[in-house]
Amino acid sequence: DAKTTQPPSMDCAEGRAANLPCNHSTISGNEYVYWYRQIHSQGPQYIIHGLKNNETNEMASLIITEDRKSSTLILPHATLRDTAVYYCIVRPFQETSGSRLTFGEGTQLTVNP
Amino acid sequence: DSGVTQTPKHLITATGQRVTLRCSPRSGDLSVYWYQQSLDQGLQFLIQYYNGEERAKGNILERFSAQQFPDLHSELNLSSLELGDSALYFCASSVETGAGTQYFGPGTRLTVL
Repeated sequence: DAKTTQPPSMDCAEGRAANLPCNHSTISGNEYVYWYRQIHSQGPQYIIHGLKNNETNEMASLIITEDRKSSTLILPHATLRDTAVYYCIVRPFQETSGSRLTFGEGTQLTVNP
Repeated sequence: DSGVTQTPKHLITATGQRVTLRCSPRSGDLSVYWYQQSLDQGLQFLIQYYNGEERAKGNILERFSAQQFPDLHSELNLSSLELGDSALYFCASSVETGAGTQYFGPGTRLTVL
C-alpha cells in the first residue's frame, strides 16, 4: 500500500470548514484513498473513499488532485463532535487474498468553540 | 452505531491468564477483522477471517489465536498474557473479503495487571 503523510495536528473553529490534507505521492493506479476517523478510544469510523473524482457524502467531501498525489478531506461545518484523529489510507479497493487497513499516525483535529 | 458488537467492553486480568474476546459482525457481513491498539504501537492489524476461513494474518503473536464460527461471530483468544498485551482490541466487519470499507465495533479494553 502507498505511504501517506499527514500533519500531526490541526485546529479548527466550530462552524468553519475543516480541511485535512494527505500526501500520497507513490499512489498506484488501482489504489483508492480512504478516510477514517477515531474519536477518543472509540472504534474507527469509515468516512469516505475515492479513486480520482471528487466525492461527497453526508459526512464529508473528498478532493483528490488531478495527479492523485494528494487529497483533502473537507468537513464543511465542523462541530465539537468532529474532534478526532483522522486517518488517510491508500490501498486497492478490494484485495482478493485478504485485507487489512494500515493506519498511520493520522491528524489530530481539534475543533474549538 | 456501526452494527458490530464486541464483548466484554472491559476486561481486567493477571499476567499468565487466558481471555476470550467476542465479536459479532454486522448482519450480512462475512468478513471479520481484528485490530490491536496500544499506546506505543497504534492501530495494528492482527488477523482476518472470511466465511469461517482465515484470509490474512498480520502481526499476531503465537500466543494469540482466532476463529470464526458458522454463525459468523468471531472470537480472539489471548493466552499467557503479558503486561504488554494491555490494549484496545477492535473487531471490524465487511461484506466481502479484502474490502477497504470496514465497520468497527466499540472495542474491548484489556488490562493485564
